[in-house]
Amino acid sequence: EPEVTQTPSHQVTQMGQEVILRCVPISNHLYFYWYRQILGQKVEFLVSFYNNEISEKSEIFDDQFSVERPDGSNFTLKIRSTKLEDSAMYFCASSSHTISNQPQHFGDGTRLSIL
Amino acid sequence: DQQVKQNSPSLSVQEGRISILNCDYTNSMFDYFLWYKKYPAEGPTFLISISSIKDKNEDGRFTVFLNKSAKHLSLHIVPSQPGDSAVYFCAASGSNFGNEKLTFGTGTRLTIIP
Repeated sequence: EPEVTQTPSHQVTQMGQEVILRCVPISNHLYFYWYRQILGQKVEFLVSFYNNEISEKSEIFDDQFSVERPDGSNFTLKIRSTKLEDSAMYFCASSSHTISNQPQHFGDGTRLSIL
Repeated sequence: DQQVKQNSPSLSVQEGRISILNCDYTNSMFDYFLWYKKYPAEGPTFLISISSIKDKNEDGRFTVFLNKSAKHLSLHIVPSQPGDSAVYFCAASGSNFGNEKLTFGTGTRLTIIP
């Protein structure tokens, strides 16, 4: 069964450094998402991406965050200057838009630890 | 912002019995509801969903019930198996075309006792 894959599985970064999290969505999917889960809290929406542009973003997704689909397969989340509170699990998801009742499929996440 | 609530953080059920997980929501614009299962160190895995035009959807051992007037949904697992032990998240969306963000509950940790 097709999967969403994320790399790396764990990223440790010094505060203030830039970090790029990578995702390969399911190949025929058209909508792409990033979510995060801070330890002990709920999974929170960050941003959705369709047709090479952001379709929606949350309050969390401030100017320090950006997303890109640099080629036909990868979908990246960049945090420009990381803060301690960015430490979380980051999940990428994708979905098909062609018919109804289409769930989002998630990758296994990247654990981001900011020191 | 507690638009989707799972009031039971944990639930223990004997193997072979029925597991019932509950979820409440407050936003009447939600149109599509999903249940995800999550094992440690893995991402959420889609289990079953229901559109707001239905009140029940069944897939094998899993059934989701939706009560729109009460803004309540539940997931029934029968019979429960040890492999069902995981954290279960309820999620809601404004669209069933997969093109809108999901709002998640806080999860319920289900433990199946052999």
